[in-house]
This record gives sequence, C-alpha cells and structure tokens, in this order.
Amino acid sequence: GQNIDQPTEMTATEGAIVQINCTYQTSGFNGLFWYQQHAGEAPTFLSYNVLDGLEEKGRFSSFLSRSKGYSYLLLKELQMKDSASYLCAATDSNYQLIWGAGTKLIIKP
Amino acid sequence: DAMVIQNPRYQVTQFGKPVTLSCSQTLNHNVMYWYQQKSSQAPKLLFHYYDKDFNNEADTPDNFQSRRPNTSFCFLDIRSPGLGDAAMYLCATSRDSAGGPDTQYFGPGTRLTVL
Repeated sequence: GQNIDQPTEMTATEGAIVQINCTYQTSGFNGLFWYQQHAGEAPTFLSYNVLDGLEEKGRFSSFLSRSKGYSYLLLKELQMKDSASYLCAATDSNYQLIWGAGTKLIIKP
Repeated sequence: DAMVIQNPRYQVTQFGKPVTLSCSQTLNHNVMYWYQQKSSQAPKLLFHYYDKDFNNEADTPDNFQSRRPNTSFCFLDIRSPGLGDAAMYLCATSRDSAGGPDTQYFGPGTRLTVL
C-alpha cells in the first residue's frame, strides 16, 4: 500500500531550528511536496523536491533521499507565525498526491 | 490576484438535507480537485477533473457528486449529509499534471457542520 509517515506533533522555541521528518512508500515516485496549513485554513505550497539533496528557500529548506524514501523540512529562526501543521505529500507513478496527516508544530516564546 | 475561491466559507445543514459547495478559479488551471479533510487528518481526495474529464476516487461514497460546468467553476453536492460528513471541504487547482507533478493551489475551504 501507499503510506506517508510523519510525527503528529512537535514543539520548538521561538528563534530555534526544527526539523520535521517524513517517510513515504508509494507505487512509483515523482517528487514530494511540503505544504503549510494554519488552523482552519487551506494548505499553502512550501516546496517540491524530486532530486536528492537540499533545496533552500529563505528560512525554510527541504531535503529528499529517494533511496531511503525520506524527506525533511527544516525551519530556521522560528517565529510565532510558523505555528501550523506541515503536510508532506508524495506523488506516485500516476502523479496522484499521497498525503500525510500533517505534523502540528507548536512554537513557544 | 489570481486565486481559488470557495463559497460559502461556513455551511450549516441538517442531517439529510442536500447541500452544494462551490469553487471558482481565476488561475485558468486545467485540473480541479475536491478534498475532504477532518481534524488532524490528511486531506482525502474525493474527485478530480482534467478539464471536463471526471475522475471519481474508488472509495468516494455515492452520497457525494460533483459537477464542472466550465473551466472556472466546480461544485460539490452532498445529497444526504450525515454526521460523519462534517469536515472541511477543500477545492484545489493545478495547471495540468499530464507532463508531470503539478503544484496544487487551494481555496480557503468550506467548513461544513451537520446538525
């Protein structure tokens, strides 16, 4: 079957760094997305990785290892507004998105 | 600004009373999706359209129907809402995944309450 695993909840301190991990099992693989979702709102696109390695975008970076079926989202210089759920979604051979349940990130002052 | 719009943002209905949720887009994207998302769960794909070509997910209940009369609009009909259908309903669009994975852009969602 197809499956995405990510931690349910994480807590971090304002100004710190946090890494949110995601492992995936899909029928074929055509890349992985990270989305941010604030409570009661729609997901918004953060990043897309299809090749191995790290992609950096300001305070946010995303890493992919295709051989390990593994990705992480790295958030630096955490701000209170980063409190949200972070959803990992892998694309299968039919280009369908397989979604994780999201990691709720709680930022403390 | 180009965007995905959903109406209403909040919908309250009674058990068994049909309800229609609407979505419109100004992105001129070829593909439209309807997702159901319950609290702390992954979005669950209900339907998607490649242009007018309708694709029903295998496990989408018959109680859910969808229409896409033109490129810009898409509707989700819930024929007889049950308590288990209370959720956030998300509409999303993407340009066209025929050539590869596409970023999906989401509307703000409609939160459905069933009394």
